[in-house]
Amino acid sequence: QKEVEQNSGPLSVPEGAIASLNCTYSDRGSQSFFWYRQYSGKSPELIMFIYSNGDKEDGRFTAQLNKASQYVSLLIRDSQPSDSATYLCAVNKDNNNDMRFGAGTRLTVKP
Amino acid sequence: DVKVTQSSRYLVKRTGEKVFLECVQDMDHENMFWYRQDPGLGLRLIYFSYDVKMKEKGDIPEGYSVSREKKERFSLILESASTNQTSMYLCASSDYTDTQYFGPGTRLTVL
Repeated sequence: QKEVEQNSGPLSVPEGAIASLNCTYSDRGSQSFFWYRQYSGKSPELIMFIYSNGDKEDGRFTAQLNKASQYVSLLIRDSQPSDSATYLCAVNKDNNNDMRFGAGTRLTVKP
Repeated sequence: DVKVTQSSRYLVKRTGEKVFLECVQDMDHENMFWYRQDPGLGLRLIYFSYDVKMKEKGDIPEGYSVSREKKERFSLILESASTNQTSMYLCASSDYTDTQYFGPGTRLTVL
């Protein structure tokens, strides 16, 4: 079992729809959770992080964390073609810089 | 703005050569990381450093070494390059939130 698992996709949604990206992790002691976006040929860039159970909203993005079920998700509202990218989930296991990344989900937003 | 720079965007080397990849960050971050990214495998940690002259092995340190003589600079060394080290290499530094800031990446091809 991989430590951080994501559906590789591709996930395709129409413009204006909600895109839902999911991630599960294996280490119950994980402390902090991150979503990165990576455009083709570019390096990952942070979208948001979440530490506590529940929802965290930032503009069109909402991160959701459920530690009991060991999953974290990212919702993108009003999806735009410019959101087309690979989204990486990352989990910090023990707050000691032991960050584990999922393989990423490729999202395509069709005009 | 955090800036992480890497010495080369593209590099072609021959099997057996010694290869140096350099990374510099300008935000006085304590922690720096080297990853490689391969299709379907995501980001895998090679080494990280939490202070000058300090280093820790990541998941795949074999065939690599690192050097951190100054806080802002973290070098990855391939002692004797092999074809299975052909990959995208990403350097990152992290702040107090554990957010990682990535450099643009070096695409290394070993012939």
